Amino acid sequence: KAGVTQTPRYLIKTRGQQVTLSCSPISGHRSVSWYQQTPGQGLQFLFEYFSETQRNKGNFPGRFSGRQFSNSRSEMNVSTLELGDSALYLCASSLMDGGQETQYFGPGTRLLVL
Amino acid sequence: QQQVKQSPQSLIVQKGGISIINCAYENTAFDYFPWYQQFPGKGPALLIAIRPDVSEKKEGRFTISFNKSAKQFSLHIMDSQPGDSATYFCAASMYSGAGSYQLTFGKGTKLSVIP
Repeated sequence: KAGVTQTPRYLIKTRGQQVTLSCSPISGHRSVSWYQQTPGQGLQFLFEYFSETQRNKGNFPGRFSGRQFSNSRSEMNVSTLELGDSALYLCASSLMDGGQETQYFGPGTRLLVL
Repeated sequence: QQQVKQSPQSLIVQKGGISIINCAYENTAFDYFPWYQQFPGKGPALLIAIRPDVSEKKEGRFTISFNKSAKQFSLHIMDSQPGDSATYFCAASMYSGAGSYQLTFGKGTKLSVIP
């Protein structure tokens, strides 16, 4: 099975712009979670989607949003970019059909905000 | 508020030695404790995981020790190899409602295994 794929792998944006990142989960996985990874804060949970519904949300401002499509693919959007949004954004998928299950991570999208 | 504390931040071990990474948690609602390994340019990959009803779990050279009363768990890498050089994250998971389980990560330990 193909793993989790994320596009694009690298992005450079300027302050004030918006950005959309894409994630394709492992085939058959219905849950997609997004994380922000920075050297200072480590891995922080952004949100989780399951069957096109946001099921859980971390402590991030409303500038961070996401959605999930009927084929389980997910996008996250960051509006009005700030310098502090520079990070590696990771997507993880799992079956999540009840109970604890392994989350499989993609390679991430590295975002640089100038 | 950091709910999972991980130490050390970095670790240098000689080839063949034992690498030990420690984590402590505060919230007793956590009920699943995975460890992830991350190489540069890659996403984290599950290494090994444990539930609190077990005190130790071993998979090959990797062992998790779990102390429920102390709310601590640790990863031991036996016979460390240069190929083990990576960043290791401990994590803790808890049910957060609506069928969702949320992972909280430690801040990571950068392991370097020198020949």
